[in-house]
Amino acid sequence: GENVEQHPSTLSVQEGDSAVIKCTYSDSASNYFPWYKQELGKRPQLIIDIRSNVGEKKDQRIAVTLNKTAKHFSLHITETQPEDSAVYFCAANGISYDKVIFGPGTSLSVIP
Amino acid sequence: DSGVTQTPKHLITATGQRVTLRCSPRSGDLSVYWYQQSLDQGLQFLIQYYNGEERAKGNILERFSAQQFPDLHSELNLSSLELGDSALYFCASSRRGSGAYNEQFFGPGTRLTVL
Repeated sequence: GENVEQHPSTLSVQEGDSAVIKCTYSDSASNYFPWYKQELGKRPQLIIDIRSNVGEKKDQRIAVTLNKTAKHFSLHITETQPEDSAVYFCAANGISYDKVIFGPGTSLSVIP
Repeated sequence: DSGVTQTPKHLITATGQRVTLRCSPRSGDLSVYWYQQSLDQGLQFLIQYYNGEERAKGNILERFSAQQFPDLHSELNLSSLELGDSALYFCASSRRGSGAYNEQFFGPGTRLTVL
């Protein structure tokens, strides 16, 4: 069935270092891969997304890369700041293109 | 503020009871999605409605049901509640029913506690 795996489940980095979160998806027909950030006690919010016809997308300190052959995609955060501390969810649209399947999340802690 | 509203914010009830959660999507959004987030868990997709019709279904229990009304607001009904149903329930809305870059905007959530 449709599945999105995400690693690591927790990640701790020093302020200023980079953080990388990796996801794999199962459905080769998936063509849309959003990333959401959920701060403690708040709602998930979209931070960046990528479509399958693009290999990389960057928005300031955040970048996402996609390898469709391997069915991998990753989130890269550079120059991390304490306010980057949150749970990050990757996602992929499902077989019907209507469902968005979320990964289990990565809890990122940025240590000042 | 995402523009998606959910009521109530908190709900405390007993096992065996039935509750209704309400969601109003952003103005102009036709799709509504429901998610369940248990403690330290990810977002479990329950169900999606598009313009009043059921569009996609996830791991929604038979005790749960939902609908989307002509004014596009949606309700999630949870019945015969069990302790394990305690969770944060999010509603999200998007402009279209499917496709890439169909960003979902999440509401603030309803925290359900079943005692």
